[in-house]
This record gives sequence, C-alpha cells and structure tokens, in this order.
Amino acid sequence: EDKVVQSPLSLVVHEGDTVTLNCSYEVTNFRSLLWYKQEKKAPTFLFMLTSSGIEKKSGRLSSILDKKELFSILNITATQTGDSAVYLCAISSNTGKLIFGQGTTLQVKP
Amino acid sequence: DTAVSQTPKYLVTQMGNDKSIKCEQNLGHDTMYWYKQDSKKFLKIMFSYNNKELIINETVPNRFSPKSPDKAHLNLHINSLELGDSAVYFCASSHRSGTGFYEQYFGPGTRLTVT
Repeated sequence: EDKVVQSPLSLVVHEGDTVTLNCSYEVTNFRSLLWYKQEKKAPTFLFMLTSSGIEKKSGRLSSILDKKELFSILNITATQTGDSAVYLCAISSNTGKLIFGQGTTLQVKP
Repeated sequence: DTAVSQTPKYLVTQMGNDKSIKCEQNLGHDTMYWYKQDSKKFLKIMFSYNNKELIINETVPNRFSPKSPDKAHLNLHINSLELGDSAVYFCASSHRSGTGFYEQYFGPGTRLTVT
C-alpha cells in the first residue's frame, strides 16, 4: 500500500532556529514529491521535486529529494513566527492523485 | 482574483439531509479534485476529473457523487449525510501535461458539520 511518513509529527523552536522536516515514502507509481504549508485554511504550494539531488529554494525554505533512499527534506533557516504551520508532504502518482503524509506541526516561538 | 473558490465555507446540517458543495477555478486548469481532511488533519483524495471525465474514484461511499459541468467547475453532492461525514472538504485543481500532472492548488475548504 502506498505510504508517506513525515517526521517529526510536531516541533517547537525559537525564532532564528533552523529546522529540518523529513518525509519518507513507499509508492508504486512515483511522479513527483510536493511540499505544502497549511496554516488555518487551504494548503499552499511550496515545492515540487521530480529529480534526485537538485535543491529547490525559495527564500529561507529549501528542499531536496533522494529517489534512491525514498525521502525528502524541507529546510527552513532563520525561522520566524509566520513559519508556524502544518507542513505537508505528498507524493503525486501517474494518475495525478496526491498521497499525503500526516503532516509536521511547526510552532515557532518569539 | 480568487484562484480556486468553494461555496459554502461552512455547512451545518442534520443527519439524513442532502447537501452540495460547489467549486470553481479560474486558473485555466483541466483537472480538478476533491479531498477530505478529517479531524486528525489527514488529507485524502476522493475524486478527480480531467476535462469533465472522472479519472480517480477512491473508495468513497456512493452517497458522494461528484459532477463536473465543465473544466472550471467540480461540485460534490452528498446524500443521506452521516455523522462521520463531518470534515473539511477541499477542492483543488492542476494542469495535466502529456507526461503527468503539475502541482495542485487548493481552495479554502468547506467545513461540514453533521449533527
């Protein structure tokens, strides 16, 4: 059965800290791995990764995929209170279906 | 300039009723999806339509029926609502190319409460 596992499930840090969120997967038909940020409402798109070893960056956020070891990490440097959210990892299959992990809840304290 | 919109945002209804949720996207995408997010925040795919054709139909009770009148709209009708249907329902859309699907963009969600 297709599975996406995120760790840790929750994390509390202070502003300025750097965090690393993990996502491992077992899926039959892998197309891409996506990261989303969910605050109070809709998940908002962060990154889509399809190739191993190529880092994607957006400001203080970056992500990389390892298709051999079947995992991805999301890094956030110099965290701010506005980074507090649930971070969701998902795998896209060849049908377009997204299979989500359970999410990592990040709380950044001032 | 809303990209993916859903109506209503909140829906409170009694067991046994029938209700509909509507979704519209103005991104020019050709594929739309319905997801259910339960109380543990776990997001799970329910249905997907590509160019008005059903392409994903997960194990969902047949009380749930999606309808796509055109590429920009995907509605969800639920018959005989049950307590376990209480959840947040998200609509999403994406573009499909010959090699696969691009990233999905989500609507604001509809919080359904069945009493």
